[in-house]
Formats: sequence, structure tokens, C-alpha cells
Amino acid sequence: QITLKESGPTLVKPTQTLTLTCTFSGFSLTTTGAGVGWIRQPPGKALEWLALIYWDDDKRYRPSQKSRLTITKDTSKNQVVLTMTNMDPVDTATYYCAHRQNSGATVPGPFDYWGQGTLVTVSS
Amino acid sequence: ENVLTQSPGTLSLSPGERVTLSCRASQRVFSNYLAWYQQKPGQAPRLLIYGASSRATGIPDRFSGSGSGTDFTLTISRLEPEDFAVYYCQQYGSTPVYIFGPGTKVDIK
Repeated sequence: QITLKESGPTLVKPTQTLTLTCTFSGFSLTTTGAGVGWIRQPPGKALEWLALIYWDDDKRYRPSQKSRLTITKDTSKNQVVLTMTNMDPVDTATYYCAHRQNSGATVPGPFDYWGQGTLVTVSS
Repeated sequence: ENVLTQSPGTLSLSPGERVTLSCRASQRVFSNYLAWYQQKPGQAPRLLIYGASSRATGIPDRFSGSGSGTDFTLTISRLEPEDFAVYYCQQYGSTPVYIFGPGTKVDIK
């Protein structure tokens, strides 16, 4: 079965760079149509999509955050890494990684499997 | 950029009741690529519906989705105690790739 798990620091200081790792199993990011995304959720607030990486290394970012985000993959380790620069207290949130439903290379898909999430607090 | 509006913000209901949640888009949702998620406190979201009306794997048939264009609905035919949660709609497949609505909380009356 498909599982994902996020890892990374629980506390970062303002202006620092956040690096989060998503380690997954049950699928391969070399399979045509596969994709992994990052979504965050500030405490008590709604979900906010951040980034997505596809099997072919195509990448998509939330436009308002694009300058701060980098998503990469390591297919040998079954990992996807998200970096976010210049962290601010408003970036305090639970960060989730999720598997994009794979119905084919050209068919868009929602997120059908999610990690448990990791809470990142930005504070000095 | 499309904006998704969900109504109502909060719904207070009793087990056994029928629930209808609304998701309205400011622009047409391409190919009805509209999903619904359920999220309980302290848990990750769970995919319920995709393609506006297709149930995800393992989702009970009391959950159904409908709609097209800019107006979409999630219906729970008969509320079970485990259905009290926050429900999010999501557009996918356009630019930006994913957009979530603000959510509707269904709580116990």
C-alpha cells in the first residue's frame, strides 16, 4: 500500500531556510503519471497547496510562493524534498506531503494518499 | 485564478440527518476536476470524491458528489457519528495546479 511520511525540523528561526523530506513507499516516482505534492495548513486554517513534482521532473509551484520554494526528488531513495527560504512566523503550519492520484500522464489527479503531517513552528 | 467558496462555514446537525455542502467556483472548473476531502482534528485530509462525482476507494456510498461548471455539491445521505469533520473542496488540473476552498465544518448539534 502507499504510505508517505514527512520529516524535518519542528522549529525554525525567522529568515532561515526550511528543508522537509517526504519518504514514501508503495509507488515509484519513475512511473509515468506519478506525482508528489506538498500542502500546508496553518493552525485552525484551511489547506494550502505549495508544490508538486512529477515523474518526469516537471515541477509546479504555488504562484505566490514560487520564489521561495524548491521541490526535488531522489528516486533511488523514494524521497521528495521541499525547501522554503526566508521563513516567517506566518509560515507556521502543519506541512503534508501527498501522492497525486495517477490516472495517466495527461490526466490531472487529486491527492489520494497523505502523510501524517509535520508541524513546523517559526519563532525566534 | 479561480476562487472556491464553500457554504455554509459551519453546519450543526444531528446524526441521521442529510447534509448538503456547497462549493462554488468563481470560474468554470475545467473538466469538472473537483474533489472533496474530509479532515478530522489532528488527522490528514482524506479524499472522498474526485471528478466531481466519483467516490474514492473505500468511501461509503452515503457520500456522493454532484455538479458541474461552477457549482458543486457534496451530499451525505445520513450522517454517522464519524462524519463530523471539516470538508474541503479542491480544484485540480488548472493553473495553479491545486486550489482548496476554505472548508465547511460539520459539527454535532
